[in-house]
Amino acid sequence: DQQVKQNSPSLSVQEGRISILNCDYTNSMFDYFLWYKKYPAEGPTFLISISSIKDKNEDGRFTVFLNKSAKHLSLHIVPSQPGDSAVYFCAASARGGATNKLIFGTGTLLAVQP
Amino acid sequence: GAVVSQHPSRVICKSGTSVKIECRSLDFQATTMFWYRQFPKQSLMLMATSNEGSKATYEQGVEKDKFLINHASLTLSTLTVTSAHPEDSSFYICSARDPGTRNSPLHFGNGTRLTVT
Repeated sequence: DQQVKQNSPSLSVQEGRISILNCDYTNSMFDYFLWYKKYPAEGPTFLISISSIKDKNEDGRFTVFLNKSAKHLSLHIVPSQPGDSAVYFCAASARGGATNKLIFGTGTLLAVQP
Repeated sequence: GAVVSQHPSRVICKSGTSVKIECRSLDFQATTMFWYRQFPKQSLMLMATSNEGSKATYEQGVEKDKFLINHASLTLSTLTVTSAHPEDSSFYICSARDPGTRNSPLHFGNGTRLTVT
């Protein structure tokens, strides 16, 4: 049972344009969401997070949008740069849980073309 | 910032042997650490939650006797893959959260690529 889903396994974007990565979740107990970036043979690197009390969080070129009613979140990267090429994972947790463990989506491979 | 260090980064072992992977929090104390596994082109799957001074909590389907977890100090958790088989070949990643930083995200080590021949 995949509680966090990223339905696009890959995305290709031109440098300078906007990249939009999408994520859906099924567990209504999730109230904290994160995006991670991962290069091959490395651990994920934290990018940005959002609490369920907000619908938008922005940090530089990265903005995360949360639509609780649709159980959907998205990551916008603008302008996209070649160095952004990586696999992006969304993750969710129910912070009231005893361990705050993260459940990850399946990832989206972003390729930014120069 | 918070750093999680994992060692070794890569290990090749023969079938039937055991392999130990170390995970250290370098500038914070972590009472809880998490062990994930990633198969090629798949998501990161949580294997177990490592608790300092007590038994680890394993996710459904993860054999606790095969994947031994020890969290003997506030900065070190180890994962031992016992009697490894080729199907255990995977990318193992540990993570921890800095409890001293409000809303600290989970920080990950760089992972260990295990290949069992």
